[in-house]
Amino acid sequence: DTGVSQNPRHKITKRGQNVTFRCDPISEHNRLYWYRQTLGQGPEFLTYFQNEAQLEKSRLLSDRFSAERPKGSFSTLEIQRTEQGDSAMYLCASSFQVQGYEQYFGPGTRLTVT
Amino acid sequence: TQLLEQSPQFLSIQEGENLTVYCNSSSVFSSLQWYRQEPGEGPVLLVTVVTGGEVKKLKRLTFQFGDARKDSSLHITAAQTGDTGLYLCAGRMDSSYKLIFGSGTRLLVRP
Repeated sequence: DTGVSQNPRHKITKRGQNVTFRCDPISEHNRLYWYRQTLGQGPEFLTYFQNEAQLEKSRLLSDRFSAERPKGSFSTLEIQRTEQGDSAMYLCASSFQVQGYEQYFGPGTRLTVT
Repeated sequence: TQLLEQSPQFLSIQEGENLTVYCNSSSVFSSLQWYRQEPGEGPVLLVTVVTGGEVKKLKRLTFQFGDARKDSSLHITAAQTGDTGLYLCAGRMDSSYKLIFGSGTRLLVRP
């Protein structure tokens, strides 16, 4: 069990560019979550998947954000036309339905929009 | 408005001292988790509490879930420099699987 992995770990982009992040959950975990964390704050929920179905989205997830989990395994989070306010740590977590409550986080992708 | 309030926001103590961190809400949670986060890394799960009044111990760390499942505390005995980090509480409500996080308590243990 290698834990949740995220790529890239760091991304610097210019305002207006599109970026895509990838998350590979712990194998056999059927739930996958995306959170965003800004400096000095706790993570904020963005969206979650059960298998390939996206079951809940936060109002924080504007039209410029889209997340997919096409085969119920890895997930991608794309941000279009990035803005400076998108600069944050993007965290992915996964959990196993039967165990219910416990979410395990990856190391995060740090996005800096210049 | 933060649904989960953590206090204190910052804590600087000497190695060997005891401390308590609080996580409070006016809402009821079906479960509550505590995480520790190092700079530039993701949160690492410490414990999950589910039952009102539940107490769990993890070596020198003691976690308690309030009877009404609205609050929780983390007590560290004889703090060590390795305990330094950001401590986050996160609650889950019955209606959703998402976690609602507090803003964290930043702990510095000085040698």
